Amino acid sequence: DTEVTQTPKHLVMGMTNKKSLKCEQHMGHRAMYWYKQKAKKPPELMFVYSYEKLSINESVPSRFSPECPNSSLLNLHLHALQPEDSALYLCASSRTWTGWDGYTFGSGTRLTVV
Amino acid sequence: KNEVEQSPQNLTAQEGEFITINCSYSVGISALHWLQQHPGGGIVSLFMLSSGKKKHGRLIATINIQEKHSSLHITASHPRDSAVYICAVLTQGGSEKLVFGKGTKLTVNP
Repeated sequence: DTEVTQTPKHLVMGMTNKKSLKCEQHMGHRAMYWYKQKAKKPPELMFVYSYEKLSINESVPSRFSPECPNSSLLNLHLHALQPEDSALYLCASSRTWTGWDGYTFGSGTRLTVV
Repeated sequence: KNEVEQSPQNLTAQEGEFITINCSYSVGISALHWLQQHPGGGIVSLFMLSSGKKKHGRLIATINIQEKHSSLHITASHPRDSAVYICAVLTQGGSEKLVFGKGTKLTVNP
C-alpha cells in the first residue's frame, strides 16, 4: 500500500457543527502532516506529527484540533469553523519528519463552511 | 520576495510541444520536489532531487544547486498533462519544512 487515504472527499458543515477529517497510511511512515490550501494558492502547513507526537503547530486557531491515535492514522477535528476556513485540506506523510525520503500526499478533503 | 519562485505562472501549449517550467529558490535546501496537482486537488509527487537530473517517462527534472535553480521538462506534451505543477523545497537547518512555490498552471490543448 503506497497511498495516503483521506476521508471524506467533500464535506459541507455549518458554523456550529463538529466534524472530523481522517487521514490514513500503511506505509510505516512516522511523520504525518496537515496542510490547508485555498484556491489558487500553495498549500500552507498546519500541523506536523512525528512518532505520534505533535511537533509543529503553525499557530493554527484552536477550532482546528489534530489527533494522532496511532502511527497510521491522523485526524483533524473541526469545531465552530468560519466560512473563511473553507479550503482543501491535504494530508501527507513521510518516513521521518525530516522528509528526506520524500512525501506522499492524499487527495484532500474539500471543506465548505456555510 | 517568496523563497520559491516559479515561472511562468500560466502556460498554454499545443499537444506535442516541449514544455519547460522553471523554479528558483533563495534558501538552503536539502532537496527539491516537483509536484503535480490536478483540478480534483490531490497532489502527486513527481520527483525529489538533490543534484543532477532525473527522468521518468516524458518528464525530466534538473537541478543546479550552485545557481539555486531547477527545471521541469515535459516532452511530447499531452492534454492529460494539464495540471498545476508545484515546485517545493525542503529547507535545511534544524527545522526542515517544505516551502512551496505558487505553482504553474499548464493547459495542453489537443
